[in-house]
Amino acid sequence: EAGVTQFPSHSVIEKGQTVTLRCDPISGHDNLYWYRRVMGKEIKFLLHFVKESKQDESGMPNNRFLAERTGGTYSTLKVQPAELEDSGVYFCASSQEQGEIGELFFGEGSRLTVL
Amino acid sequence: RKEVEQDPGPFNVPEGATVAFNCTYSNSASQSFFWYRQDCRKEPKLLMSVYSSGNEDGRFTAQLNRASQYISLLIRDSKLSDSATYLCVVTVSGKLIFGTGTRLQVFP
Repeated sequence: EAGVTQFPSHSVIEKGQTVTLRCDPISGHDNLYWYRRVMGKEIKFLLHFVKESKQDESGMPNNRFLAERTGGTYSTLKVQPAELEDSGVYFCASSQEQGEIGELFFGEGSRLTVL
Repeated sequence: RKEVEQDPGPFNVPEGATVAFNCTYSNSASQSFFWYRQDCRKEPKLLMSVYSSGNEDGRFTAQLNRASQYISLLIRDSKLSDSATYLCVVTVSGKLIFGTGTRLQVFP
């Protein structure tokens, strides 16, 4: 069974440009999460989808970040315009469980470098 | 103050050693507790859940003390393959809250 896949694995862009990260969760997983790790810091929650609906987007840093989950399948996270402090590793995770959170299955992450 | 505090290490131990990691969390409303493992430039993977009664999985033993808001992980008979970063994770309001991780390096 395929795991969580993320694309691209690494993106280098200049400040002010736009980047779109994609996540394909494990098939059948209704819950999809985005997390981010900035260098030297802990992994932090960005948002949570249940199917196509945003359940919790309290971790989104600002309105330069836009996440979508078309049809409740794959998700995209767009950063526009990118700033230097957006550099980091963006992890996507999925899970099947309802209610109390259990094991999340993470993708390998998309490393974003903003110059 | 971080919500989940861990000693960043690194812990450098020889094969066969026993090593213990500690973690404290600040939010008393934390509901579930986990240890995740992350290899270099890889994704975090669940190592084990942590329960107040303590739980063991082979060479790994995890313990939770809710009163002290303290979580521990004990690794016995360390293997080279145990080298990784160990992330202490709690859940609050349906979200995973991560510590910065403790790096373990096991040497021959």
